[in-house]
Amino acid sequence: KQEVTQIPAALSVPEGENLVLNCSFTDSAIYNLQWFRQDPGKGLTSLLLIQSSQREQTSGRLNASLDKSSGRSTLYIAASQPGDSATYLCAVRQNEKLTFGTGTRLTIIP
Amino acid sequence: GAVVSQHPSRVICKSGTSVKIECRSLDFQATTMFWYRQFPKQSLMLMATSNEGSKATYEQGVEKDKFLINHASLTLSTLTVTSAHPEDSSFYICSAPPPGGALTIQYFGAGTRLSVL
Repeated sequence: KQEVTQIPAALSVPEGENLVLNCSFTDSAIYNLQWFRQDPGKGLTSLLLIQSSQREQTSGRLNASLDKSSGRSTLYIAASQPGDSATYLCAVRQNEKLTFGTGTRLTIIP
Repeated sequence: GAVVSQHPSRVICKSGTSVKIECRSLDFQATTMFWYRQFPKQSLMLMATSNEGSKATYEQGVEKDKFLINHASLTLSTLTVTSAHPEDSSFYICSAPPPGGALTIQYFGAGTRLSVL
């Protein structure tokens, strides 16, 4: 059974700092890995999708990497802003099922 | 714009009532839709897979008689929480993968927050 873990569970950093969120998964037989953002009480916003054959994806200030063999992914956020405050979830896809991580609650301090 | 529409966004009901949540794919046909549940400060957990034209498949520990799923058409799946109780209070969210197989992103609805009094 796939298990996805995210460390840390919560993170607070001053505005402007760069930061890294971590995601690990136990079964490396995945189709892709996706990073989402969830604002309190809201649905999910897809941030980045990395296919199993890829090693990284970039979108603006966000960069996600994938090391499938070791079961790890990181989400790098550059020059953090207060608007980046949210819970970040990673999810791995096997067949059509997504298994979500436990999430990292990020707070950017102005 | 949103490609998956979910309604209602918020429901408050009395214990013992049934609540229906709709999930619609707006720009594509979805033979499969997924229903997730998220308790406070926890991650999303897959409840069931909704299959158009056949029975839904439920994850272990999810009561199929309590959470009725009907995939009425290629663009609509409904989740009915029957005889809801306070412990069913949660955030329910649906998703649908557009045609394209494993390479495509899954689109999520905005979610439904259910509060059972």
